[in-house]
This record gives sequence, structure tokens and C-alpha cells, in this order.
Amino acid sequence: AQKVTQAQTEISVVEKEDVTLDCVYETRDTTYYLFWYKQPPSGELVFLIRRNSFDEQNEISGRYSWNFQKSTSSFNFTITASQVVDSAVYFCALSEVSSNTGKLIFGQGTTLQVKP
Amino acid sequence: GAGVSQSPSNKVTEKGKDVELRCDPISGHTALYWYRQSLGQGLEFLIYFQGNSAPDKSGLPSDRFSAERTGGSVSTLTIQRTQQEDSAVYLCASSLQSPSYEQYFGPGTRLTVT
Repeated sequence: AQKVTQAQTEISVVEKEDVTLDCVYETRDTTYYLFWYKQPPSGELVFLIRRNSFDEQNEISGRYSWNFQKSTSSFNFTITASQVVDSAVYFCALSEVSSNTGKLIFGQGTTLQVKP
Repeated sequence: GAGVSQSPSNKVTEKGKDVELRCDPISGHTALYWYRQSLGQGLEFLIYFQGNSAPDKSGLPSDRFSAERTGGSVSTLTIQRTQQEDSAVYLCASSLQSPSYEQYFGPGTRLTVT
């Protein structure tokens, strides 16, 4: 059955520290998509990245980077030199092509607190 | 351009009453989703609309929940005879096409059933 696990419920770091948010997924599909969303205190979910199952290339966007490893079914997210504005709940999500809907299966989320 | 909008932003209702929640997707997005976010259940899929196709209602928790999408645009989620366990934030999202495109979420409607 499909599932997304974010084992870290809460992480607290001091500004400028690097932090990695873990995401492990389960699926029987060979074609699927992985996503990360950010939910700041304002509440609105903000799209960060989409990855398809055939593209294992790591991606970097500014201070954000993502490491996708099919061998371990993981899609981890690293924030380099964290800032207070990075404080939010981060969700990893899976979409299976076989669903024909694109519905997202979310992990439970990781609350990141960045202290000044 | 304009993002996904939802109304009302907050709704307090008495147990047993019916409520309607509205979602206005991004213009041009053919796929529309409803999700629910609650403390106990996290983020869970409710229903999916794609163009004029029959919706996927597989995530609706009971027959008290229904949704429609008129003219391929605005959607309304209706909860009949509300129960306290329906209290949650109801999120709407839209995307260009499923399943490969990212979904953009609205600000949500916080529903409180007293």
C-alpha cells in the first residue's frame, strides 16, 4: 500500500545551521511523483518541488536541496544555512500514476523551528 | 495571476447543520482537489474533479459529504448534518493536469462544529 513516512515530528535548530528533513515512501508503482510542500504559520501550503520517479538527479534551489534515492525509497530535503523564515511545517507527498487522479498522499509533516 | 481562493475562511456551525464550502481554482486548471487537514488524521484526500469526467469520490469519509464542480470551474463541498469530528481545515487545490503537475493550494476553510 502507498505510504509516506516523515519520522521527524519536530526539529529545532539555531539560525545558520543546516538541517535535513527525512522522507521515506512506499509504492508499488514504477511511475510516481514526489513532492515537498511548506506550510508556514499563515497556513497556506506552498509548493516547493516535484520529482518524477525516473529522475534521480539531485536538485538545488538556493539554500534548498533535495536528495532522491530510489534504492532506499527516500526523498530528503536539506536547508542550508537555515533562517527564521524557514520555520514551518514541511510535508512530503506521493502521487501515483496508477491512481489516475494525481491525488497526493501526504506524510505527517515535520515541524521545523529555526531560532535566532 | 490569482491563486486558488476559498470561502469562507472560517465557519462555525452547530452540530446537525449543513455547511457549504466554496473553492475557486486557478484559471485554466482542469484538475481540482479537496483535502482535509485535522490534528488526528493529518492531510487526507477527499475528492477529485478533472474536466467533465466523473469525479473520484473515494476519499469522502461518509455519505454526508458531497461535492460538485460547476462549469469546470468553481467547486462546492457540502457537509450535511455536521458532526464534531468534521471540525478541520478543508483545503482546495488545483493543477493543470493530473497526475504529473504540482497542485496549488488555497488558504483553506477552518470549520468548527460546536
